[in-house]
Amino acid sequence: GEDVEQSLFLSVREGDSSVINCTYTDSSSTYLYWYKQEPGAGLQLLTYIFSNMDMKQDQRLTVLLNKKDKHLSLRIADTQTGDSAIYFCAGNRDDKIIFGKGTRLHILP
Amino acid sequence: GAVVSQHPSWVICKSGTSVKIECRSLDFQATTMFWYRQFPKQSLMLMATSNEGSKATYEQGVEKDKFLINHASLTLSTLTVTSAHPEDSSFYICSARKLAGGADTQYFGPGTRLTVL
Repeated sequence: GEDVEQSLFLSVREGDSSVINCTYTDSSSTYLYWYKQEPGAGLQLLTYIFSNMDMKQDQRLTVLLNKKDKHLSLRIADTQTGDSAIYFCAGNRDDKIIFGKGTRLHILP
Repeated sequence: GAVVSQHPSWVICKSGTSVKIECRSLDFQATTMFWYRQFPKQSLMLMATSNEGSKATYEQGVEKDKFLINHASLTLSTLTVTSAHPEDSSFYICSARKLAGGADTQYFGPGTRLTVL
């Protein structure tokens, strides 16, 4: 299977919470990341979590890491239309970052 | 902050010509930069790791003679697509590695869209 897997599409109503899930295979990753990509743009680093942490919160963003299950999630509270984008889960391996295929978040009015 | 710029943001060229793309870290020094390409609705594919003052390390399947990488300073890496063909049309994104506060992160440029006619 892929090194980093995530569902390809998520649809959420404006104002609700969005939860984007990711699983990874390489337990040696010391950092796990969430990047956001808007149409026609590069990637914006949203947040990252060190592998010995379980949770990290930054304003509307909450990252949960279950290292035993190799599961990472990103929760976006009070989802807004500006959150519509592709979200990439990633982990580091050696000096590289390994990306998932991205989850396209669609906001319903 | 950690700002990375790319130039140009888009380029259209004729088949057989060469195109140079610049990647600059504006407010930090980066000994390591990376070059990716992204096809529509797909994830990023790492092409090569660019190390300041030394040769780039290419991923399997990436032709080093076709995609020339130069990392002459701590803030600039260039990717030259030589003898470009239509199949080289893609979105090319660079990133710069930053080590700060115990964290190892990459900051991405805005991307360069290359169209080869």
